[in-house]
Amino acid sequence: AAGVIQSPRHLIKEKRETATLKCYPIPRHDTVYWYQQGPGQDPQFLISFYEKMQSDKGSIPDRFSAQQFSDYHSELNMSSLELGDSALYFCASSSVAPDGYTFGSGTRLTVV
Amino acid sequence: AQSVTQPDIHITVSEGASLELRCNYSYGATPYLFWYVQSPGQGLQLLLKYFSGDTLVQGIKGFEAEFKRSQSSFNLRKPSVHWSDAAEYFCALRAAGNKLTFGGGTRVLVKP
Repeated sequence: AAGVIQSPRHLIKEKRETATLKCYPIPRHDTVYWYQQGPGQDPQFLISFYEKMQSDKGSIPDRFSAQQFSDYHSELNMSSLELGDSALYFCASSSVAPDGYTFGSGTRLTVV
Repeated sequence: AQSVTQPDIHITVSEGASLELRCNYSYGATPYLFWYVQSPGQGLQLLLKYFSGDTLVQGIKGFEAEFKRSQSSFNLRKPSVHWSDAAEYFCALRAAGNKLTFGGGTRVLVKP
């Protein structure tokens, strides 16, 4: 069965650089969620999209932005990267009335 | 506001012994609850979920969880653990906006 695809799997950036993370949801899932998991932390909700519109916003820094495209894939854009942005970034997808969420394997971002 | 608490940060159990992971939640409405497992550096895999109905929920890999409204708990159990069960376990609550609120996680170590 198709899963949630995230790319890249690993990313190393320097401080003040930008990064773009991509997420491809399960077919027919119209909602995408982004989570950030710092080392030894639980995942924290960043932002979600339903039908290409932002549906909810969590603790996402102003330096980050995201969007969902017509094919339902989503991109998380991160600018002016800081050391503290080093984390595992998960994308999850669901249908509009979610009885479950499918998570991708995550993108591990390391800022040096 | 909703919250999820996992009181045990670490649990060590012998292979073949039983396992119980505690999860307490705070939410003003009917909770939708989930348990996820995460191996090091990997994504989140759904073990089981509770929406309504039977308060004892069966999941994958031999896990089960019992929802107790009176105690605001959703504890995860497994009768006999295997070395492959060593991982981090997250309890999560589906909150307003359909986003997930996670507990802090419990890391399970399995002794031979």
